[in-house]
Amino acid sequence: DQQVKQNSPSLSVQEGRISILNCDYTNSMFDYFLWYKKYPAEGPTFLISISSIKDKNEDGRFTVFLNKSAKHLSLHIVPSQPGDSAVYFCAASEGDSGAGSYQLTFGKGTKLSVIP
Amino acid sequence: DAGVIQSPRHEVTEMGQEVTLRCKPISGHDYLFWYRQTMMRGLELLIYFNNNVPIDDSGMPEDRFSAKMPNASFSTLKIQPSEPRDSAVYFCASSLVGWTQYFGPGTRLTVL
Repeated sequence: DQQVKQNSPSLSVQEGRISILNCDYTNSMFDYFLWYKKYPAEGPTFLISISSIKDKNEDGRFTVFLNKSAKHLSLHIVPSQPGDSAVYFCAASEGDSGAGSYQLTFGKGTKLSVIP
Repeated sequence: DAGVIQSPRHEVTEMGQEVTLRCKPISGHDYLFWYRQTMMRGLELLIYFNNNVPIDDSGMPEDRFSAKMPNASFSTLKIQPSEPRDSAVYFCASSLVGWTQYFGPGTRLTVL
């Protein structure tokens, strides 16, 4: 049973436009969320995170939104650039809830293609 | 600063052979994680260590898999005997206290 779901395997966006990547989760104990970016033949790299006490976190062109009632988060990239083309993974953690602290559960990823 | 180092980057072996994957975490990091990535299952956590001690190995698929961390700067993931279904990319990641994990480049394992 997938606890973190990224329902869109791929997304294509024109350069300069907004990219919106979505993620849903089922485990109500998750309270910390992260986005990772992965280029081919490389390991995932940390992009941005959000704690469940917030509903938005922004870092430059990247903004993550969290809707706890809907168990949904999204990553917005504005403006999108060709170098953003990569696979984006959503990850979630139960945080300081005891056993399982710092374990991350990953979605299967969304491949973003930014077209020049 | 060097990131997480994994070796080998690629491994091709025959079914039944022993495979050892190696990882050097970022210096000073207290946590080390081993993941496996496949098309079917995505990124799965296999095992993680805190201060060289295995904390949770519930993700290790079978007894054929074992992991060790003899010191703070080295960990191994061993598969014995290997099977074709073990073919995947294996990632090692490390972190200081917290959730931000830093991943190595991965080892692509092919078992024929």
